[in-house]
Amino acid sequence: DAGVIQSPRHEVTEMGQEVTLRCKPISGHDYLFWYRQTMMRGLELLIYFNNNVPIDDSGMPEDRFSAKMPNASFSTLKIQPSEPRDSAVYFCASSFGGLSNQPQHFGDGTRLSIL
Amino acid sequence: GENVEQHPSTLSVQEGDSAVIKCTYSDSASNYFPWYKQELGKGPQLIIDIRSNVGEKKDQRIAVTLNKTAKHFSLHITETQPEDSAVYFCAAKMGFQKLVFGTGTRLLVSP
Repeated sequence: DAGVIQSPRHEVTEMGQEVTLRCKPISGHDYLFWYRQTMMRGLELLIYFNNNVPIDDSGMPEDRFSAKMPNASFSTLKIQPSEPRDSAVYFCASSFGGLSNQPQHFGDGTRLSIL
Repeated sequence: GENVEQHPSTLSVQEGDSAVIKCTYSDSASNYFPWYKQELGKGPQLIIDIRSNVGEKKDQRIAVTLNKTAKHFSLHITETQPEDSAVYFCAAKMGFQKLVFGTGTRLLVSP
């Protein structure tokens, strides 16, 4: 079975540009999570969705960050405008039924570099 | 606050030795504790998890123990192999669906 699929795998862009990261969760999973991983802050939850609805976005660092889930098989994380401190690896994860039922499965991430 | 402390940050062992990684958590209501293995350029992969209604769980060479009173849990890997080399993360469920991760342990298994 296909796992969580993220694209692009690598993104290099100049500060001020808009960045869009994409995620396709595992088919049938009803929870989707966006994480950011940096050396300084480790792995931190940004936002999660349940049945395409954003439930908790308290981890989103600033208004420059936004996330959408237009359908059960696709989500985006957008940064506009991007800044060098946004450089990190961004992971998407999905699960079925939440943590009381099933574990989270992670994609291989998008390595984002803002110059 | 929500916090998971993980030790050690790096661990070097010889092939065949055992490795132990320890974590402590802050939220006494936490009831789910997964362990993830992350290889270079890959996402974290679940290797074992434990829920608060059990004190120990084992899967072949990997075991996890949980002490709810002390709020700590540990990962034990026996008969380590070079392919066990990776970064290992513990995590604790805090809140409805939130996982708070430890800072990671880089395990190096030398042949």
